[in-house]
Amino acid sequence: AQSVTQLGSHVSVSEGALVLLRCNYSSSVPPYLFWYVQYPNQGLQLLLKYTSAATLVKGINGFEAEFKKSETSFHLTKPSAHMSDAAEYFCAVSRANAGGTSYGKLTFGQGTILTVHP
Amino acid sequence: DAGVIQSPRHEVTEMGQEVTLRCKPISGHNSLFWYRQTMMRGLELLIYFNNNVPIDDSGMPEDRFSAKMPNASFSTLKIQPSEPRDSAVYFCASSSQGIGTEAFFGQGTRLTVV
Repeated sequence: AQSVTQLGSHVSVSEGALVLLRCNYSSSVPPYLFWYVQYPNQGLQLLLKYTSAATLVKGINGFEAEFKKSETSFHLTKPSAHMSDAAEYFCAVSRANAGGTSYGKLTFGQGTILTVHP
Repeated sequence: DAGVIQSPRHEVTEMGQEVTLRCKPISGHNSLFWYRQTMMRGLELLIYFNNNVPIDDSGMPEDRFSAKMPNASFSTLKIQPSEPRDSAVYFCASSSQGIGTEAFFGQGTRLTVV
């Protein structure tokens, strides 16, 4: 079974400050990991994903995440927060089938609401 | 591609009425997922289809909920009869098979049962 834990349901930062959103996963097999963003009244949009290539993954809008197997973590960071980053962020995990492919079935964390203050 | 298309965007209905939510996945995707999002429970996977066949419906809360996928370009989620506790945002998502494929989400249907 797989699961994802996002530490902190709310994170507040000042504009220009570092953004750090924490995600830890549990998986019996090497996982695929994802970060999604949800703006108010919208669907989820993919920020970035880890698929066992480079452990440091760069995504859209200046976000990046690092896969650390020893810590079972996939934390999301952005060096300098912008007001437009205010949204809810979801970490998700999926598993590979025997052939290494997957069907896109994701298990989501509870989400972290990011607030950015001027 | 227009992305995953859901209709309606908003639905308000009275308790006891039947509600049907609709989804058109991205062309060429062979997996389709229905999720429910609430403040209390977050994002829950209700059911998913692969090549139009339901694979896992263990997340469907009750027999009042049913889902169909009659062809590769259309799926419905039906609630009959609806109850106030069904009020939530329902998302449809689709994906293709591959290495670490992601799910593409629709804009959601906000359901309010009064």
